Amino acid sequence: GAVVSQHPSWVICKSGTSVKIECRSLDFQATTMFWYRQFPKQSLMLMATSNEGSKATYEQGVEKDKFLINHASLTLSTLTVTSAHPEDSSFYICSAREFGAGELFFGEGSRLTVL
Amino acid sequence: QQQVKQSPQSLIVQKGGISIINCAYENTAFDYFPWYQQFPGKGPALLIAIRPDVSEKKEGRFTISFNKSAKQFSLHIMDSQPGDSATYFCAASMEYGNKLVFGAGTILRVKS
Repeated sequence: GAVVSQHPSWVICKSGTSVKIECRSLDFQATTMFWYRQFPKQSLMLMATSNEGSKATYEQGVEKDKFLINHASLTLSTLTVTSAHPEDSSFYICSAREFGAGELFFGEGSRLTVL
Repeated sequence: QQQVKQSPQSLIVQKGGISIINCAYENTAFDYFPWYQQFPGKGPALLIAIRPDVSEKKEGRFTISFNKSAKQFSLHIMDSQPGDSATYFCAASMEYGNKLVFGAGTILRVKS
């Protein structure tokens, strides 16, 4: 099956720093990727939809300037958490949709801890 | 606004038993209903999915029952095994491949 890889799996950073999380589709081209955030023992909440070559569409309540999403190629989308604070600590998960297909494939997630 | 309501929050089933998780939705524009399994520290993995034009879909031990008039769908896990212990999420989208709205999740524990 199609593989979506996230890097890093775990990241710990100090408050006020920025952190970049990568989401790669390893064996297919993904025109659309979705970024979710999941707090402990909670559901996945959609943050934004990114389409290759265009600006991301953010869900209501998600700060665009804080969560920067770039989808510069058909196999890579990045999420940058700027000026991270402890409340940004969460599990960030991406999913990707193959060009011309419908099934979504999820990455393994990236655990962010902000001290 | 919770567009997909999932119950129960947690479920304990004996090995070999049937696990049943229910979901209800409000938006009649939803037309794709998948179920995902998630293990701790991992991303969700697609188990099985259904479209509104069928009332039931079975894949191995997993069955989705869909009731369009009631706007409800459920996951049945037959012959539940300890390895099935995980969190299960129902989801819905307005188009296959479009953004998903997830239910709150059900923590399933299968006792051996």
